[in-house]
Amino acid sequence: AQSVTQPDIHITVSEGASLELRCNYSYGATPYLFWYVQSPGQGLQLLLKYFSGDTLVQGIKGFEAEFKRSQSSFNLRKPSVHWSDAAEYFCAVAPRGSYIPTFGRGTSLIVHP
Amino acid sequence: DTEVTQTPKHLVMGMTNKKSLKCEQHMGHRAMYWYKQKAKKPPELMFVYSYEKLSINESVPSRFSPECPNSSLLNLHLHALQPEDSALYLCASSPDPQGEKLFFGSGTQLSVL
Repeated sequence: AQSVTQPDIHITVSEGASLELRCNYSYGATPYLFWYVQSPGQGLQLLLKYFSGDTLVQGIKGFEAEFKRSQSSFNLRKPSVHWSDAAEYFCAVAPRGSYIPTFGRGTSLIVHP
Repeated sequence: DTEVTQTPKHLVMGMTNKKSLKCEQHMGHRAMYWYKQKAKKPPELMFVYSYEKLSINESVPSRFSPECPNSSLLNLHLHALQPEDSALYLCASSPDPQGEKLFFGSGTQLSVL
């Protein structure tokens, strides 16, 4: 079955620390991959996406993600977290030919001062 | 204007009421979407409109009735809802069905009593 998994429900980091949020997918062929962020009471904003090519993708707000085909992973990283990064982060996938994302369950990022 | 505007932001309705949610964008996008998001859950796709025609209906109950009167406007008509329909309803748009990126509104928080 096709699926996207975010194994961590909550992640807590200190401000200034590095961050990695995990995402794994299970698809017949490599899907399109996305990371979205949702602040409380808000809609979702696209951070970055991977369709093909360079496996290290740069996004907005200082985020990057690396596609690893061998691990079926698309983990999101940031070298130094700011308090304003506290939000819900969703990994999403779409089958090739369709860009409509199906979302993982989300990871809630908590940032301590 | 790079926003997707949803009104109202909050709505409380009884199970016998009829209400409508409204979504508007002026970015010239030709694909529009309705998502439903329960608390602490990922968004789930309900409907997709492509060039003002309904292209995807994810087996949504008939008490939800979408309408796309023009390329800038998307409505969701609600009738005889159940308490379990309480959720955040998100609208999104993309330049076209292969737009590669969805722009989300901030949602309507719906409570059904």
